[in-house]
Amino acid sequence: AQTVTQSQPEMSVQEAETVTLSCTYDTSESDYYLFWYKQPPSRQMILVIRQEAYKQQNATENRFSVNFQKAAKSFSLKISDSQLGDAAMYFCAYRSPLDTDKLIFGTGTRLQVFP
Amino acid sequence: ETGVTQSPTHLIKTRGQQVTLRCSSQSGHNTVSWYQQALGQGPQFIFQYYREEENGRGNFPPRFSGLQFPNYSSELNVNALELDDSALYLCASSRPVRGNYGYTFGSGTRLTVV
Repeated sequence: AQTVTQSQPEMSVQEAETVTLSCTYDTSESDYYLFWYKQPPSRQMILVIRQEAYKQQNATENRFSVNFQKAAKSFSLKISDSQLGDAAMYFCAYRSPLDTDKLIFGTGTRLQVFP
Repeated sequence: ETGVTQSPTHLIKTRGQQVTLRCSSQSGHNTVSWYQQALGQGPQFIFQYYREEENGRGNFPPRFSGLQFPNYSSELNVNALELDDSALYLCASSRPVRGNYGYTFGSGTRLTVV
């Protein structure tokens, strides 16, 4: 069974600085999808960025980018030029193309942004 | 394009009671998944419905059941509530097209069992 591990329960960053959130996963599959979701106090899960395992190029979305290391089974999220609105819980998630449409989530990292 | 709507937003129930949570999927989405998020944890997959049939289930007992309706909205029913069922219940809709990762989540129902 696949597992997702986020070893940083909390992280903090100063506004305009850069922060990296860590995620590792375990799988025997070669093809899969990885996601970072943001959950603000409104509770709605918002997709931040996604990565297909067959793509070697790291995904980027504006200030958000990932460092995908397939061999190491590592998928970290880098937030550049942090903003106060980035403060939230961040969840790493795994999806197998062979299973149902389910997402397997990590336990999350709470990001605080200080002015 | 409407998003995913869940009702109610908050609910308090007594142990042993039954509860029904509702979810309206995003327009164009025919698949609905339900997740349980305990305090301080990541969401856990309960089950998924596609074309009104259960299409996969996580490690949850049979007292967790669901329905999907022809308009793709869905219900999550939990019987014989236990204190550990207290959690945020999230609904997510999607279209099961290969390469489409368009899950849209609702804001959840916070269930408290006392």
